[in-house]
Formats: sequence, C-alpha cells, structure tokens
Amino acid sequence: SQQGEEDPQALSIQEGENATMNCSYKTSINNLQWYRQNSGRGLVHLILIRSNEREKHSGRLRVTLDTSKKSSSLLITASRAADTASYFCATGFGTSGSRLTFGEGTQLTVNP
Amino acid sequence: NAGVTQTPKFRVLKTGQSMTLLCAQDMNHEYMYWYRQDPGMGLRLIHYSVGEGTTAKGEVPDGYNVSRLKKQNFLLGLESAAPSQTSVYFCASSGTGGLGPQHFGDGTRLSIL
Repeated sequence: SQQGEEDPQALSIQEGENATMNCSYKTSINNLQWYRQNSGRGLVHLILIRSNEREKHSGRLRVTLDTSKKSSSLLITASRAADTASYFCATGFGTSGSRLTFGEGTQLTVNP
Repeated sequence: NAGVTQTPKFRVLKTGQSMTLLCAQDMNHEYMYWYRQDPGMGLRLIHYSVGEGTTAKGEVPDGYNVSRLKKQNFLLGLESAAPSQTSVYFCASSGTGGLGPQHFGDGTRLSIL
C-alpha cells in the first residue's frame, strides 16, 4: 500500500505564482523526500528532510514537515514554465531507511 | 557523468516471452532498486539490493527475479511475461546507507501483448 499521498492530484498556475503541494503519510518515518519527474524521464531528487527537522530550503523550494500531523508540504516560489512536471513525495522507513514508498504524485502545470 | 543507465529504453514482448532489463550505475552505490510505474499508481518497489550478491523482495515481487552479481549492475528478469507487467520500469541507486537520495535512470517502457 502507498504510504504517501499527495494533494492535489493536479495543479495549474501562472508563471510567477507560488505552487504548494502536500503529502500525508501513515506511519513513523526516518525521512521524507521530494522528487520531480519530467515527462518521459526518470525521477530527480529535490530535497530530503529528516524526521527531526521541521523546515528545509533549497533555492526556490521550501519543504516543511509536521510529524505530529504526519504531513509535509513542498512550496515552489516564483514558478517558471520549466517547473512543469510531476512531483512525488517519498517516505523512508525501516532501521536503515533503505526503502522508500512513493505517493501517486501531483501534476504541476505552469502556464507562461 | 552517466549516473544510472537502463537498457533497453523500449521493448515489446509477446505473452510468455522472457527478457532481462539491465541497470548500470557508475557512482559506486551499494543500494540499487527496481520500481514499476503505472498510471495513477505512483512507483512501486519490485526488488532491491543492499550490496553485491544480495537481493530482497519489495512490494510487488511476483513474476520478477533479480541478480546483483557485480556492484555496478542490477538485472531484472521476467521469466514469462504477462500483459499485467506492461509498465514503465525504473532503476535507482543510493549511497549513504540507503538513507540518502535515490538516483534514477530514465526508464524502460515495456509492453506485453
């Protein structure tokens, strides 16, 4: 069964706007990761946040993690047409965290 | 910087045929993974390996076998292909004890007729 669930399933915005995607999960985790997938390509790692962290930044990306609510959000600021892609959250669990469980993804479309 | 390379990129099989998908990584990573991606299902883990000579089952292992004879290669085999195995298959690798980011290949698109 899928651990992470993204919301919304699809999001369409205008260039320059901010995009927020949410991820909920069910069990305790070691870390939570966000990935981007462009059409016809493999997934690309964006950011990893550990269970003892609450917020991380990377360029125009901001990720928050609320372990009490078992949820995370990915914020992309000042979006660009090139940000159009599917975004997946993945939760790492287990003593070594060697396995990730991926959600079904959010399809983001940024209109020029 | 090749990263993770998957071959072939596309393949069409008939039901009952067998084939092997090859994944090669040049990052000296210990951990390697095989996923399948179906519409509306996200990625599901088929098998994974935590080091040369070791393999383990993931979420959906039935109908697949794997081998990790060399650290840089991870092979996924379909012994008798079924239409339900039509999917996009992704290989990934990870260092730092498996807790780190996973690096993905660009996938193999497999159709079973």
